[in-house]
Amino acid sequence: GAVVSQHPSRVICKSGTSVKIECRSLDFQATTMFWYRQFPKQSLMLMATSNEGSKATYEQGVEKDKFLINHASLTLSTLTVTSAHPEDSSFYICSAAHGLPYEQYFGPGTRLTVT
Amino acid sequence: GESVGLHLPTLSVQEGDNSIINCAYSNSASDYFIWYKQESGKGPQFIIDIRSNMDKRQGQRVTVLLNKTVKHLSLQIAATQPGDSAVYFCAETGGRRALTFGSGTRLQVQP
Repeated sequence: GAVVSQHPSRVICKSGTSVKIECRSLDFQATTMFWYRQFPKQSLMLMATSNEGSKATYEQGVEKDKFLINHASLTLSTLTVTSAHPEDSSFYICSAAHGLPYEQYFGPGTRLTVT
Repeated sequence: GESVGLHLPTLSVQEGDNSIINCAYSNSASDYFIWYKQESGKGPQFIIDIRSNMDKRQGQRVTVLLNKTVKHLSLQIAATQPGDSAVYFCAETGGRRALTFGSGTRLQVQP
């Protein structure tokens, strides 16, 4: 099956700093990538959808200037959390699709802790 | 479905029993449904899917039932094993919408 990786798997950063999370589709070209956030004991909440070479579409309530998404190639998307605060601590999960939006393959997630 | 807060419903079953996990959805335009399994600290793992032109689909030890009349989806796991312990999410979509995830159910399998 299709494989999606994320790096890093865990990251701890200080409040006010920025952190970048990478999402890679390893064996297919992803025309669309999705970023989700998941708080403890809650469901996945879609943050944004990005298509290769174009600007990401953010969900309502997600600050585009705080969560910068770059989808520069068909195999790589990055999420940068800028000026991180403790409330940004969460599990961030990406998924990649090479067809219709529902044919998504999920990455293993990145645990972000902001101290 | 939307996240319902800090407490996931929990289903506790004995090893070897059958499990039934339920999900309600609200969008009548949804035409494709997926069940995911998520283990602690990992991303969601695809289990089984079903399109709206079907009301039942079977996989290996799993069956998904869809009742469009009442907008209800269920996942049945036969002969539940300890390795089935995880959080299970339903997700739905229609047209070219992104997936919308349900709130999840924690399945605990007692040995």
